[in-house]
Amino acid sequence: EDQVTQSPEALRLQEGESSSLNCSYTVSGLRGLFWYRQDPGKGPEFLFTLYSAGEEKEKERLKATLTKKESFLHITAPKPEDSATYLCAVQAPGGGNKLTFGTGTQLKVEL
Amino acid sequence: DTGVSQDPRHKITKRGQNVTFRCDPISEHNRLYWYRQTLGQGPEFLTYFQNEAQLEKSRLLSDRFSAERPKGSFSTLEIQRTEQGDSAMYLCASSPTGSLGNTIYFGEGSWLTVV
Repeated sequence: EDQVTQSPEALRLQEGESSSLNCSYTVSGLRGLFWYRQDPGKGPEFLFTLYSAGEEKEKERLKATLTKKESFLHITAPKPEDSATYLCAVQAPGGGNKLTFGTGTQLKVEL
Repeated sequence: DTGVSQDPRHKITKRGQNVTFRCDPISEHNRLYWYRQTLGQGPEFLTYFQNEAQLEKSRLLSDRFSAERPKGSFSTLEIQRTEQGDSAMYLCASSPTGSLGNTIYFGEGSWLTVV
């Protein structure tokens, strides 16, 4: 069974204080690893897809990396508007490419 | 360019009543998914459609739950005889297939509170 574990559960940063979120996974044949951002009371917003170990993607202050066992979401010089829950999910072949999610990391960036 | 649309956004119902949620996917997407999310948890897969065919259902989807996607366009998720444990956010998502990629895009969700 596919499993995704995210750490830490919650993270509080000062504005400008860079950090990383971790996503460890076990899956039978990774088709893709997804990162989403979720604001309170809203649906997940797509950020990145990573397909193979060594791949990196960047968007503004966010950078996602992938190894064979885990993915990291690096946040450089965060701002208060980066506060959200960040969800990691894996996609395996078959089953309509459905996603298996972790429980998320709740990030709060303070002034 | 419209995203995945869900209606209603919020629903409060009494235990034992039936509720129905509607989802309109991104127009060119032929895969449609339903997920459920409770507080502090990630979304959990319920079921998915390819065009009008329902191809997989999770064990989470009890007999009180039914989903349809007539004509492969919008979808409905009905919960019969609601229970307090059904209180959650119900998320609809859609994705293309083949060369268009496999990214899954979510709607804003439909919150259900059973009192």
